Amino acid sequence: QVQLVESGGGLVKPGGSLRLSCAASGFTFSDYYMSWIRQAPGKGLEWVSYISSSSSYTNYADSVKGRFTISRDNAKNSLYLQMNSLRAEDTAVYYCARGLFVGGSLSHFDYWGQGTLVTVSS
Amino acid sequence: EIVLTQSPGTLSLSPGERATLSCRASQSVSSSYLAWYQQKPGQAPRLLIYGASSRATGIPDRFSGSGSGTDFTLTISRLEPEDFAVYYCQQYGSSLMYTFGQGTKLEIK
Repeated sequence: QVQLVESGGGLVKPGGSLRLSCAASGFTFSDYYMSWIRQAPGKGLEWVSYISSSSSYTNYADSVKGRFTISRDNAKNSLYLQMNSLRAEDTAVYYCARGLFVGGSLSHFDYWGQGTLVTVSS
Repeated sequence: EIVLTQSPGTLSLSPGERATLSCRASQSVSSSYLAWYQQKPGQAPRLLIYGASSRATGIPDRFSGSGSGTDFTLTISRLEPEDFAVYYCQQYGSSLMYTFGQGTKLEIK
């Protein structure tokens, strides 16, 4: 069965860095686009970034562009999010999710991990 | 960037009743790229509907989606106790970005 397991969250000071990981299993990881999506405490969902199956394409939400970098290692079935220059407003649960295509375009997410909490506070 | 606005913010209903949740887009959205998710406290979101009206694997047929253009609807025909949760719509568009609505909380009356 498909499993996505995030790790790497924790408490970090403003301006600090953190690297999140997502271990995938139960499917051919190298066939799928993957995304990071976050949810601030008590708030809604915010898409953060996606990466294509071969790492050729990436895209970011404006709120994290220039500070976060998404990457993947298909040999290790792993997705990563390097987060630099962290701000209090980056505090959230970060989910990795598998993206699906419909009609040749990205469409929706069919599997999500359970999330890892990132807290940015002094 | 397309903004999705969900209404109502909170919907109070009783088990057995019918729930109608709305998702309105600031610009026309391709129906192929409109999805709905359910999220329960402490859990990850779960895909319910994709392509505006196709149920995801394992989703009961009391859940249905409809709509086109800028107006989309998630309907739960007869509420079960386990259906009380927060529901989000989501789209992928020409900006090559995903956006989510702010969510509708479905609570027990």
